[in-house]
Amino acid sequence: GAVVSQHPSRVICKSGTSVKIECRSLDFQATTMFWYRQFPKQSLMLMATSNEGSKATYEQGVEKDKFLINHASLTLSTLTVTSAHPEDSSFYICSATSLFDTEAFFGQGTRLTVV
Amino acid sequence: GEDVEQSLFLSVREGDSSVINCTYTDSSSTYLYWYKQEPGAGLQLLTYIFSNMDMKQDQRLTVLLNKKDKHLSLRIADTQTGDSAIYFCAELGFNKFYFGSGTKLNVKP
Repeated sequence: GAVVSQHPSRVICKSGTSVKIECRSLDFQATTMFWYRQFPKQSLMLMATSNEGSKATYEQGVEKDKFLINHASLTLSTLTVTSAHPEDSSFYICSATSLFDTEAFFGQGTRLTVV
Repeated sequence: GEDVEQSLFLSVREGDSSVINCTYTDSSSTYLYWYKQEPGAGLQLLTYIFSNMDMKQDQRLTVLLNKKDKHLSLRIADTQTGDSAIYFCAELGFNKFYFGSGTKLNVKP
């Protein structure tokens, strides 16, 4: 199946700093990428949907100025957590779909810890 | 399509069959999916079913869909300890995936 690579898998940062997470589709063109956040023992919460070349669509309650999403190419989307706080500590997962494919392929996830 | 519900836990013995259930609300969903998540990892697509199908079998996995009741199930035959994970059902609605809460499957040796 298609491969989505997410990097880094783990990151620890200090409060107030920014962290960038990358999501790459390795063998297909991802017209749409999704960013999810998963709290411990909970399901995935959709944060935003991004289409290549356009602004991301954020779900209600997600601060777009805090979680900056860029989808500049058909193989790369980035999520930047700006001015991170301990409550931003979580597991972030991206997924990608292509134009003619209804399957979503997921990255390995990024464990963010803000200290 | 945002209310996808699953039971939280299921415990079975190795070799038995596991049945994980899911209910969804969006009758217009075209595809329904089962994903597996192992600890600290992303989601792995196990299988999916198109909404006009009642059943799909893929090796040890059998998906049953009751569209009238909006009920989806995943049966794992001959469950192994390596099947221990969290299983999420998801529906595709308006180009977004809505996930259930996940069912933690514990397989006892």
